[in-house]
Formats: sequence, structure tokens, C-alpha cells
Amino acid sequence: KAGVTQTPRYLIKTRGQQVTLSCSPISGHRSVSWYQQTPGQGLQFLFEYFSETQRNKGNFPGRFSGRQFSNSRSEMNVSTLELGDSALYLCASSLEFGTGAETQYFGPGTRLLVL
Amino acid sequence: KQEVTQIPAALSVPEGENLVLNCSFTDSAIYNLQWFRQDPGKGLTSLLLIQSSQREQTSGRLNASLDKSSGRSTLYIAASQPGDSATYLCAVRPGNQAGTALIFGKGTTLSVSS
Repeated sequence: KAGVTQTPRYLIKTRGQQVTLSCSPISGHRSVSWYQQTPGQGLQFLFEYFSETQRNKGNFPGRFSGRQFSNSRSEMNVSTLELGDSALYLCASSLEFGTGAETQYFGPGTRLLVL
Repeated sequence: KQEVTQIPAALSVPEGENLVLNCSFTDSAIYNLQWFRQDPGKGLTSLLLIQSSQREQTSGRLNASLDKSSGRSTLYIAASQPGDSATYLCAVRPGNQAGTALIFGKGTTLSVSS
């Protein structure tokens, strides 16, 4: 079974632009979560989607948004990019939502550099 | 607010040594705790998941323990190998909210020399 895939793997943008990142979960997984990883802050939770609905949101500004499609694929969008948005963005999928027993499986990440 | 701390931040050991990585968390109300491995520039690989009702989990040379009452978990690696060199991350899933959001520590970077 294929793992979590993320596209693109690398991205360079300039301040003020917007960016869309894509995540395809493991086949059959219905929950997708997004995380931001930076050297200073470590891994921080962005948001989680299940059945095309945002179920959980971390402490990030409204410039960060996402959505999930009916096939469980998810996209996240960052508008008006700032230098501090440079990070590795990781997507994780799990089978279900809210049972307490899910293992999360992570993709390889998208490395975003904002100049 | 749940906080996860991992000490030490970095560790260097010779091949063959047994070692322990530490993780502490401030709120004992958790659903589970996971240990991950991250190689440079890569995503995370799940190593072990311990449910809140469990005390330990084992996989090969890895053994993870959980003491919820004291807010601690340890990851024991037996007979370390150069291939074990990576950053090890501990994450808890808070028990007071639905969903799968994890709160991560900042990791311990392990270097095993041959």
C-alpha cells in the first residue's frame, strides 16, 4: 500500500505570494492532519480534516487554511507569505478520527522557502 | 496547556551501547504517546505507540515505557547501530479533545559512531 504522498516536495516563493500544498493520504485513511516544522518551534499542529470538515485547528493565523476533498485528499493554502513561513510542512493520515487509538502516518513533507 | 520536553537535545554514543531517551509531559490526561524517528530532511516514521492504559510497548530493539502519573516516557534502544542515527521525537495526543492532533517535543538527535 502506498504511503502518504505530498506535492510538491520543494517550493520557493517570495514574500506576499500565496502557496498551495497537496497531500494524498494512505488509501482508506479518512483523517488528514497538517503540521509545520521549523528549527525554532519544532513541530506544530496546523489543522485536521475528516469527512471534508475541519475538526481541529492549531494556533496559526487565518492566512493558513485548508480543505479536504471527497476522496480524502487534502490541500493547505498559505496566503500573503512571510519569511517566517519558511518551514517543512508535513501531512499525516490516519484511518479514523477521534477513537484514541490511531497511529498517524507521515508523508515526506514539502519544504517551503520564502525569500 | 500540554507541553512536551525531551532531554537531552543531543546524544552521541559508540556502536553497541544501550541507551535511553527521555520524554516528559505536563498533563497526564492523554490518549496515547507516540515515538517517531526523523532522518535529516525527511518525514516522520512511527516507531511505537503506547495507549494511555498501557505501560510499555516493544518492537525489535526498541522498548518504550509510559508512566502517566509522573508524566514520563522513555525509549530504550538496545545494542545501538550507526543506522539508528536520527532525531527521535516524542508526541502526546491530549485526552481532552477529539481528533488526532499531536503535541511534539523538540526531539533528541542521536549519533551512533562505528
